[in-house]
Amino acid sequence: DAKTTQPTSMDCAEGRAANLPCNHSTISGNEYVYWYRQIHSQGPQYIIHGLKNNETNEMASLIITEDRKSSTLILPHATLRDTAVYYCIVRGMGTDKLIFGTGTRLQVFP
Amino acid sequence: GAVVSQHPSRVICKSGTSVKIECRSLDFQATTMFWYRQFPKQSLMLMATSNEGSKATYEQGVEKDKFLINHASLTLSTLTVTSAHPEDSSFYICSARLGTVSYNEQFFGPGTRLTVL
Repeated sequence: DAKTTQPTSMDCAEGRAANLPCNHSTISGNEYVYWYRQIHSQGPQYIIHGLKNNETNEMASLIITEDRKSSTLILPHATLRDTAVYYCIVRGMGTDKLIFGTGTRLQVFP
Repeated sequence: GAVVSQHPSRVICKSGTSVKIECRSLDFQATTMFWYRQFPKQSLMLMATSNEGSKATYEQGVEKDKFLINHASLTLSTLTVTSAHPEDSSFYICSARLGTVSYNEQFFGPGTRLTVL
């Protein structure tokens, strides 16, 4: 599976949009981009995933560049409860493993 | 969303004892479950893939005789840490895959914090 690169940490003001970038320049055509988050001392929570089209659900939006080498997770109105480590994971269609990198620690402040 | 539970949520044991951790999918059947370990301030590390009715597949460097995995039903997988030592103290997390398609999303349990004295 392709490797991902994320910033170590980010800050965001409450109520503002949080834009979390992820680089996956070696992604191949059959690999999906997944986002999970982990609030302190809890299990990871699935957020969203996509292949090449932009995706939106009740939690977030996922914007994937046309060349698929990078993506951005958008939390439209961040709240204090969104403070967590966010993981961007690339996974192929033929594998069920999720390999977690170091993720981005998002701190939402009042 | 699908719910996965773990029991116990935390356990403290003496060195040399064995500890069993249960992972249950509450509202769906999971033919495949996964076990992860997470040390403080580190990311999750996949330990093994557990398939119902068959032997688990362990990641490189994970001792299968130390970390026994049983997936006897479509809703339950267990991880037994045998002869636990202080270095086994960690946060153990399981996940269950929804359905049988390999790239379906996984749902995670709340984790079990193991402390070995």
